[in-house]
Amino acid sequence: EVQLVESGGGLVQPGGSLRLSCAASGFTFSDYSMTWVRQAPGKGLEWLSYISSSGTPIFYTDSVKGRFTISRDNAKNSLYLQMNSLRAEDTAVYYCARNCRGTCWFEYWGQGSLVTVSS
Amino acid sequence: QPVVTQEPSLTVSPGGTVTLTCDSSTGPVTSGHYTYWFQQKPGQAPRTLIYDTTNKHSWTPARFSGSLLGGKAALTLSGAQPEDEAEYYCFLSYSATWVFGGGTKLTVL
Repeated sequence: EVQLVESGGGLVQPGGSLRLSCAASGFTFSDYSMTWVRQAPGKGLEWLSYISSSGTPIFYTDSVKGRFTISRDNAKNSLYLQMNSLRAEDTAVYYCARNCRGTCWFEYWGQGSLVTVSS
Repeated sequence: QPVVTQEPSLTVSPGGTVTLTCDSSTGPVTSGHYTYWFQQKPGQAPRTLIYDTTNKHSWTPARFSGSLLGGKAALTLSGAQPEDEAEYYCFLSYSATWVFGGGTKLTVL
């Protein structure tokens, strides 16, 4: 059974940093590209970042470019999102998603991790 | 950054048919946008219903279908069930950027 479990969320002050993890199980992690998506409270979904199965290429949405870094450790079956210079508007539930073996995205989703940026 | 627009809300009667649409600010939606459709219920993670405009996953109920309609992407629900009440999001692919629509709140009433 495919499982994606996000962790590392919590309360952080504006300007601070946080690292989210997404632990994958039930499949060969190194075979799949991955994606991060977030959802602010009461708002819609926002695509954040993509990483291929090998680690490159990588893409970011403009609002996080230069502040967030996606990475993966295929030996540890884990995906990461390093978030720096956090702002109040980064407050959201952060989801990781596994893409398909082919070209499709978002085949499976994690349950999300809440990040709250507040003083 | 492209803007992707959906109807904010729609209502369908049980057993009825409804079409949700997804429009792009850059022009007509085509197969090259590889449209995705997601269903999200309160307190839950999204679930992918449709990928690459028309393709279904094994868990996608047969009553859902994806298409292109009049320059927009469309999700048609035929024979609505009470459990289909949810928020629906589309997602479009552009050149090295990807954008969600704002979502459609579907009420089955």
